[in-house]
Amino acid sequence: QQQVKQSPQSLIVQKGGIPIINCAYENTAFDYFPWYQQFPGKGPALLIAIRPDVSEKKEGRFTISFNKSAKQFSLHIMDSQPGDSATYFCAASQDSSGSARQLTFGSGTQLTVLP
Amino acid sequence: ETGVTQTPRHLVMGMTNKKSLKCEQHLGHNAMYWYKQSAKKPLELMFVYNFKEQTENNSVPSRFSPECPNSSHLFLHLHTLQPEDSALYLCASTRTSTDNEQFFGPGTRLTVL
Repeated sequence: QQQVKQSPQSLIVQKGGIPIINCAYENTAFDYFPWYQQFPGKGPALLIAIRPDVSEKKEGRFTISFNKSAKQFSLHIMDSQPGDSATYFCAASQDSSGSARQLTFGSGTQLTVLP
Repeated sequence: ETGVTQTPRHLVMGMTNKKSLKCEQHLGHNAMYWYKQSAKKPLELMFVYNFKEQTENNSVPSRFSPECPNSSHLFLHLHTLQPEDSALYLCASTRTSTDNEQFFGPGTRLTVL
């Protein structure tokens, strides 16, 4: 119920390509869906996030598409660059009535963008 | 120093050693978190502290002992660890415990021999 399933595990694209990373969840109480980007030797950093009341959110070259009925969301990276090579994690959380929000993470996708 | 810092960045210890990981956040946040990151697995939340009080312990073995002396500092005391405890240990903070955006430190890479 609390799992977030992420695919693919790894992805290689050419510069300028549009990598797509997918996540699926079961818990319909989740109300916040962030994507984190992690470079080697660094901690994850928030990249973009969406709430279930919208179907798409864009920030620069990064877009989240959200399908509430299918309980799926995905990250698209437009005009990908070698500097986008990193590990990407999707996550989800729910309101816990005053308790700490806990992020449930996917297992990560290692993206390599070839020059 | 800015953001969330962690020391040491790398640690190698034997199964009988006692060591501590340190995390400090310079963001004025009130909630802090310890995560375990293993290869190809989701980040696992270990502990949550809110205003120095532990609010979550996700069934973590007692060989991991957290300490939060104030809202800016978080420690993870380690003793009699197992090789399977080798992982990247990440600290994170949020402004309040109900905030969504978590700010992560760079992690401590722990190897247990």
